[in-house]
Amino acid sequence: DGGITQSPKYLFRKEGQNVTLSCEQNLNHDAMYWYRQDPGQGLRLIYYSQIVNDFQKGDIAEGYSVSREKKESFPLTVTSAQKNPTAFYLCASRTGTGSDIQYFGAGTRLSVL
Amino acid sequence: GQQLNQSPQSMFIQEGEDVSMNCTSSSIFNTWLWYKQDPGEGPVLLIALYKAGELTSNGRLTAQFGITRKDSFLNISASIPSDVGIYFCAGRGSGGSNYKLTFGKGTLLTVNP
Repeated sequence: DGGITQSPKYLFRKEGQNVTLSCEQNLNHDAMYWYRQDPGQGLRLIYYSQIVNDFQKGDIAEGYSVSREKKESFPLTVTSAQKNPTAFYLCASRTGTGSDIQYFGAGTRLSVL
Repeated sequence: GQQLNQSPQSMFIQEGEDVSMNCTSSSIFNTWLWYKQDPGEGPVLLIALYKAGELTSNGRLTAQFGITRKDSFLNISASIPSDVGIYFCAGRGSGGSNYKLTFGKGTLLTVNP
């Protein structure tokens, strides 16, 4: 099946630890995005990438890092510098051929131990 | 940056009732998208709108792109229990990059059987 796969579904982070959230897509989409969702806050953009080996900061990039070494993959690392990491993280992709539509994965819920 | 005001924040209705929700912006938008998010899952696209005045249906859902290009409406007719979830509007402003969407904060819909 074509789609966007996020893993793991649930993740726990200890104090001072970096954790990496996986996002893989087999839709052959050029652009990929990471959002953070907190209750009542809607979706806030962390990072986005329009093409391989290029990415841009979104509105709340502090404490996060990404890489885009392959078209299919856009992993997000939540670093120890992110003091309030507990949230639902969503990955999305877009074709990159003029469409505004973003397609989302099922999300990863990150909690702090 | 651009902001979307989505209302109402939440709705509690009886099965069979019709539902209306809307999003407004202080600036002109070129694209309006409506998504639904089930608990613990990623948003799924319901309807995409591209022209002022456009009215588009998807089953029991109908959405409209406002004439002023600063608002959009989503109506659900004859609600059923599986309509429960969070409905998000999203859009791309006329001055914005086609790489980023602005999201509303969502409308939480509860349907009582």
